[in-house]
Amino acid sequence: EVQLVQSGAEVKKPGESLRISCKGSAYNFNNYWIDWVRQMPGKGLEWMGIINPGDSETRYSPSFQGQVTISVDKSISTAYLQLSSLKASDTAMYYCARWLPTGHDGFDIWGQGTMVTVS
Amino acid sequence: IQLTQSPSFLSASVGDRVTITCRASQGISSYLAWYQQKPGKAPKLLIYAASTLQSGVPSRFSGSGSGTEFTLTISSLQPEDFATYYCQQLNSYPLTFGGGSKVEIK
Repeated sequence: EVQLVQSGAEVKKPGESLRISCKGSAYNFNNYWIDWVRQMPGKGLEWMGIINPGDSETRYSPSFQGQVTISVDKSISTAYLQLSSLKASDTAMYYCARWLPTGHDGFDIWGQGTMVTVS
Repeated sequence: IQLTQSPSFLSASVGDRVTITCRASQGISSYLAWYQQKPGKAPKLLIYAASTLQSGVPSRFSGSGSGTEFTLTISSLQPEDFATYYCQQLNSYPLTFGGGSKVEIK
């Protein structure tokens, strides 16, 4: 079964850093870009950025540029989202999703989400 | 590119025909996807390329439109369809989502 499996829920203090992982399985990891999406409690979906596992090319939303870092280790089919200098406003569910960047395709496989609480 | 969904909330009954609209602030051809999200769950892709049904999605869901105006239609609402629906543009970076449309039971 094609899936993305994310690391578990985290509780952090303000000022701390955090890295969330997203491991792909049962497909060619290099063929699909990995996106990260934030969902604050009770709110909508926000696209944070994307990485190409093949060459580690990244793009960030201006809303998140400089606030987060997306990386990948294609040898273990895993993408990462690093959050630094955490604030209470970073409390949210974070999802990874894969995308075949032909443009027309949507995000067809999503991770289960990682809940981050900053308090 | 900003996406404006309407309505943001609607109350409907089982069997109703439901239509949700998504308007883009500039033309995006057919680079639009629709997702369904239930509480506590990850979003699920329903439609991509504005009108192509994702594999496994019931045929009561359909999408249409191009350019700046798009619609998601549920032909006969089922109990499992009560959820929040989001549109997303994939035309240009930054990729963006609409604000969501919550479908609740009347």
